[in-house]
Amino acid sequence: GAVVSQHPSWVICKSGTSVKIECRSLDFQATTMFWYRQFPKQSLMLMATSNEGSKATYEQGVEKDKFLINHASLTLSTLTVTSAHPEDSSFYICSASSPNRGGSYTYEQYFGPGTRLTVT
Amino acid sequence: RKEVEQDPGPFNVPEGATVAFNCTYSNSASQSFFWYRQDCRKEPKLLMSVYSSGNEDGRFTAQLNRASQYISLLIRDSKLSDSATYLCVVDMGGNEKLTFGTGTRLTIIP
Repeated sequence: GAVVSQHPSWVICKSGTSVKIECRSLDFQATTMFWYRQFPKQSLMLMATSNEGSKATYEQGVEKDKFLINHASLTLSTLTVTSAHPEDSSFYICSASSPNRGGSYTYEQYFGPGTRLTVT
Repeated sequence: RKEVEQDPGPFNVPEGATVAFNCTYSNSASQSFFWYRQDCRKEPKLLMSVYSSGNEDGRFTAQLNRASQYISLLIRDSKLSDSATYLCVVDMGGNEKLTFGTGTRLTIIP
């Protein structure tokens, strides 16, 4: 399968600071990447769709001014959590779609290893 | 009704047994269907896509029933390494935005 990397893998920050998370597709180009959040014992929830060369689209209830997304190139998207608070502590995961070369669907989506954010 | 619904388990199954998971989805216009597995505190990893005709990959068989809006995953000859949470995932709008079920926890017992 395709490879997606994320950095950092974990971060601890103080309340009120900003944290930037990077997501890279290593062996394919991704015009679209996705950012998810997962709280303990819950399923992944889509936060936003990151589009290369244009503005991100956010899911209902996700504050675009708090979660800044930049998709600077076909292999890199960044998520910045601004003025982080303890309630933002979560597991943030990005994904990217790679063309499905063998099956009926046009794509398969691969996930980065995730970033565990703890805000104190 | 949840958009993607799974039995959360846990399923505790002896090694070598066959285990089946089911999943239902609410949107009849859903386009693409997948099973992912997620190990504790790790990212989801694609296990297999689910095609209308059903598909098999080694010990794993996935089936889709569009009329009943139902997806299944069968694991044969289960191994200890199959212990994980299995996520039913649906692309409802055909726009690559994935909706996840809450997952079914599977533990294989030696």
